[in-house]
Formats: sequence, C-alpha cells, structure tokens
Amino acid sequence: KQEVTQIPAALSVPEGENLVLNCSFTDSAIYNLQWFRQDPGKGLTSLLLIQSSQREQTSGRLNASLDKSSGRSTLYIAASQPGDSATYLCAVRGNTPLVFGKGTRLSVIA
Amino acid sequence: GAGVSQSPSNKVTEKGKDVELRCDPISGHTALYWYRQSLGQGLEFLIYFQGNSAPDKSGLPSDRFSAERTGGSVSTLTIQRTQQEDSAVYLCASSLTVDTQYFGPGTRLTVL
Repeated sequence: KQEVTQIPAALSVPEGENLVLNCSFTDSAIYNLQWFRQDPGKGLTSLLLIQSSQREQTSGRLNASLDKSSGRSTLYIAASQPGDSATYLCAVRGNTPLVFGKGTRLSVIA
Repeated sequence: GAGVSQSPSNKVTEKGKDVELRCDPISGHTALYWYRQSLGQGLEFLIYFQGNSAPDKSGLPSDRFSAERTGGSVSTLTIQRTQQEDSAVYLCASSLTVDTQYFGPGTRLTVL
C-alpha cells in the first residue's frame, strides 16, 4: 500500500528566504507526482505535476524535483513571500487514484 | 468559467442522523472524485466515477457511506447514521484527464 510522507509538518520562515519541502513515497511504481497548495476554506490548487519519466518541473519561483527510484520529491520555493503561506500537499498516482501526504503548513513572516 | 462547487459549505449534525453532501463538477468533466480530509490526516480517497463505468468504491470506509452520480454530472455523497469520527472536510474533484483534477472548496462536516 502506497504511503506518502511529508517533512516538515510545519515551517515558519522570514520573507525572502528560499525553502525546500520534502515528500517521500514507499512504492516507486507511480505514473506521476503532484504538488498542491491548499488555502484555508478553499480547495486544492495544482502547482506542479511531474510525470514519472521526468526529473523536474518549474513554474515561476517554484521548482519540483522527482527521484522515482529513491521515492523522493522536493518542492523548492525561491524568495518566499507572505502570500506563499498555505499548506502544501504532495500526491502520487499509481494504479489507484491520488495518494496524498499530510502536508506541510508553511508560514512566511513579513 | 465556473469551477467545482460543493454544498453545503458547512454542515453540523447530530450523531446517528443521515447527511447528504452535494458536488457540482465542471461541465463536461467525465470523472468525479470524493476525498475526505480528517483533522491531522492527509486527503483520503473515497470513491471515483468515470463516465458510465461502475464507480471505484474501494476507498469508502464503511457501508454507511455511499455516493451517486446522476446523469454523469452532479454527485451526492450520503453518510448514514453519522458517527463523530465522520467529522472531516469532504472534498470533491472533477477532471477530463486523470492527471488534472480540479477541486471544490469542500464541505466541513461536524458530527456532535
């Protein structure tokens, strides 16, 4: 059974800092991995999707990497801003619908 | 265009009562998913509808949970004889392709 773990569970950083969120999964037989953002009272917004054949994806200040063989992904956020404060979720898709981690709650302090 | 909508946004019920949660997917999306997010837990897959195929119910936690999708559009998640452990945020998502799911804002269910 696929299990997804995210570290740290919570993170607080000053504005402008670069930061890394970590995600690991137990079964490397995945089709893809996604990073989502969740704001309180709102649904999830997909940030980046990495196919199993890819190593990384970039969107603006966000960069996500995937090492499928070791079961790891990282989300790098450059020059963090208070508006980046949210919960970031990692999810993998294998033969079943998405399996999610518990998320990292990020606070960026102005 | 309109995104995925869910109603109600909040629902408070007494233990033992039945509840119905509604999801309106994006028009034209053939796939619809229900997830549950309990306090301190990750999102947990519940059920998946794809077109006219039989739904994937493998994530439903007990036979008190059921879901329907009428006319390939609106879906209703029903929880019978609610228990306190059913308290959670219930999220719905729809998609055209399995890789790109669009999530609704969720329904926060509180069972007293």
